[in-house]
Amino acid sequence: AQTVTQSQPEMSVQEAETVTLSCTYDTSENNYYLFWYKQPPSRQMILVIRQEAYKQQNATENRFSVNFQKAAKSFSLKISDSQLGDTAMYFCASGGNRDDKIIFGKGTRLHILP
Amino acid sequence: DAMVIQNPRYQVTQFGKPVTLSCSQTLNHNVMYWYQQKSSQAPKLLFHYYDKDFNNEADTPDNFQSRRPNTSFCFLDIRSPGLGDAAMYLCATSRVSGVGEKLFFGSGTQLSVL
Repeated sequence: AQTVTQSQPEMSVQEAETVTLSCTYDTSENNYYLFWYKQPPSRQMILVIRQEAYKQQNATENRFSVNFQKAAKSFSLKISDSQLGDTAMYFCASGGNRDDKIIFGKGTRLHILP
Repeated sequence: DAMVIQNPRYQVTQFGKPVTLSCSQTLNHNVMYWYQQKSSQAPKLLFHYYDKDFNNEADTPDNFQSRRPNTSFCFLDIRSPGLGDAAMYLCATSRVSGVGEKLFFGSGTQLSVL
């Protein structure tokens, strides 16, 4: 079975700073995917970034990048030049072909302060 | 804009009174999911449809059922809601089945049970 752990329930950073959200996971699968989803207050959850486990290169989407450490089963999200609109709940998630479903962590509530 | 729409945004029901939550999508996606999200907890998959093929999670209570009359609509029926069923219910879609697929979420329905 897959598990996803986010050890930071809540974080606050000043606007324009860089922030890193932590995520560790456990899976017995060889082929799996990792995700970061963002859920802004009262709005729908959207995909921020996706990583395929067999790709060594870290995924990047504009100001968002990941540090994927496969051996350590770690998948952290770095937000550079943080903006007020980045305030949201961030969920780390993992999906494996054998389980055929995506498992979410409990989330990290991120506050960007003006 | 193509999207996933959930109605209503807030639903109040009484203990034991059946309630139905609805979800529609204009993305023409094959797969539709229902997640339960309680405060400070990870979204939990209840079931999903791949086209008309229904897939129930093993730990989803019998109290929860779903219907998908056509590609666009999916319903979550809670036959006899208990206080523990109060939660945010998220509908999501994906273009096809597969754990690497991007999920598209609705804004959710917040269910209160009195």
